[in-house]
Amino acid sequence: GEDVEQSLFLSVREGDSSVINCTYTDSSSTYLYWYKQEPGAGLQLLTYIFSNMDMKQDQRLTVLLNKKDKHLSLRIADTQTGDSAIYFCAERSSSASKIIFGSGTRLSIRP
Amino acid sequence: GAGVSQSPSNKVTEKGKDVELRCDPISGHTALYWYRQSLGQGLEFLIYFQGNSAPDKSGLPSDRFSAERTGGSVSTLTIQRTQQEDSAVYLCASSRDRGTAGNTIYFGEGSWLTVV
Repeated sequence: GEDVEQSLFLSVREGDSSVINCTYTDSSSTYLYWYKQEPGAGLQLLTYIFSNMDMKQDQRLTVLLNKKDKHLSLRIADTQTGDSAIYFCAERSSSASKIIFGSGTRLSIRP
Repeated sequence: GAGVSQSPSNKVTEKGKDVELRCDPISGHTALYWYRQSLGQGLEFLIYFQGNSAPDKSGLPSDRFSAERTGGSVSTLTIQRTQQEDSAVYLCASSRDRGTAGNTIYFGEGSWLTVV
């Protein structure tokens, strides 16, 4: 079945780049998403990438997709304290209606 | 409404009681999802409604869980005979349709359920 995996924690220094990684198993995935959940708040869509793309950039965010290895990453440039949150990777396959989420990576920023 | 609305925002219930959680999707959104997030865990898919199609119930963890969507809008998630392991945040989300590119899924703030 479908599975999405992420590491649970990442700590980076303020101003450095953060790279959050995700792997998935469904080879028919068509859309891959990154969501952000701040403490006590709901999930917000950060960005998504269609499976026929290998990179998407949006201001400080860069998404890289390696479809062969089923690996997705989110790079946050110049990480700020406001970037502290849990980041969820998610995928939707062409055959399924549901979106499958990973366990989330908690990003913490140190001064 | 402007966003996905869920109620109650917090619910404490005794083990064995039934609970109902309500979701009002964004007006015009035909797709509605329920997810569960346990403490420190990811999002667990529960059920998906799309228009008049039969719902995808493949994520419901047991027959104590059921959901319905009346009139293609409001949805109610019902948990019967609650157990302590049902304690979690129940998140509802909606999108315009099945999800072509860029059809963002919008999440509500969640209903925090605590079973004591």
